[in-house]
Amino acid sequence: EEDLVESGGDLVQPGGSLRLSCVASGLTFTAYAMGWVRQAPGKGLEWVSTITADGTVTWYADSVRGRTTISRDNSGNMVFLQLNGLRVDDTATYYCVRDKNYPRDAFDVWGRGTIVTVSS
Amino acid sequence: DIQMTQSPSSLSASVGDRVIITCQASRDITNHLNWYQQKPGKAPKLLICDGSNLETGVPSRFSGSGYGTFFTLTISSLQPEDIATYYCQKHDSLPIFGGGTKVEV
Repeated sequence: EEDLVESGGDLVQPGGSLRLSCVASGLTFTAYAMGWVRQAPGKGLEWVSTITADGTVTWYADSVRGRTTISRDNSGNMVFLQLNGLRVDDTATYYCVRDKNYPRDAFDVWGRGTIVTVSS
Repeated sequence: DIQMTQSPSSLSASVGDRVIITCQASRDITNHLNWYQQKPGKAPKLLICDGSNLETGVPSRFSGSGYGTFFTLTISSLQPEDIATYYCQKHDSLPIFGGGTKVEV
């Protein structure tokens, strides 16, 4: 069964940093672009970032560009999201997603999410 | 930046009702539009790709249509398990989600 499991979410102060991780199983990881989508409490979905299958091209939402880096380790079936300069409005559940149709982005496998809380 | 506007933001319907959710793009996106279902406390699920292509395993009571700037998601006969929030998402250039439509019974 295809599965994505995120980790790394935590309570952090404004200005702090976090590294989110996602491990994939049951899917051909190296064949797909991967990404992150977040959801603030009680709010809608917001795409955050995408990385191509070979890791050479990355994309970011305007809201996180310059503060965020996505990367992947194809030998370990993992994708990462480094969040720096965290702000209160970065508080959200962060979902790891498989992008099955990149660049015609369609997110067909989702993890259960990891919670990031930014608060003093 | 392109905007994706869903309506209504919420609706109440009865089991067996036909439910229609709309999604409007602020510029032409041809058929570059996906639909997702998110049940309470769960991760979203991809329902429809490219405007009208149903994902494997999605019940046939779900359908999508539209092109250009106006799209619809239709549930032909609402079932109790369809209670969820539905999101559209454009996928030309960077992905953007609509604000969501909460479907209640």
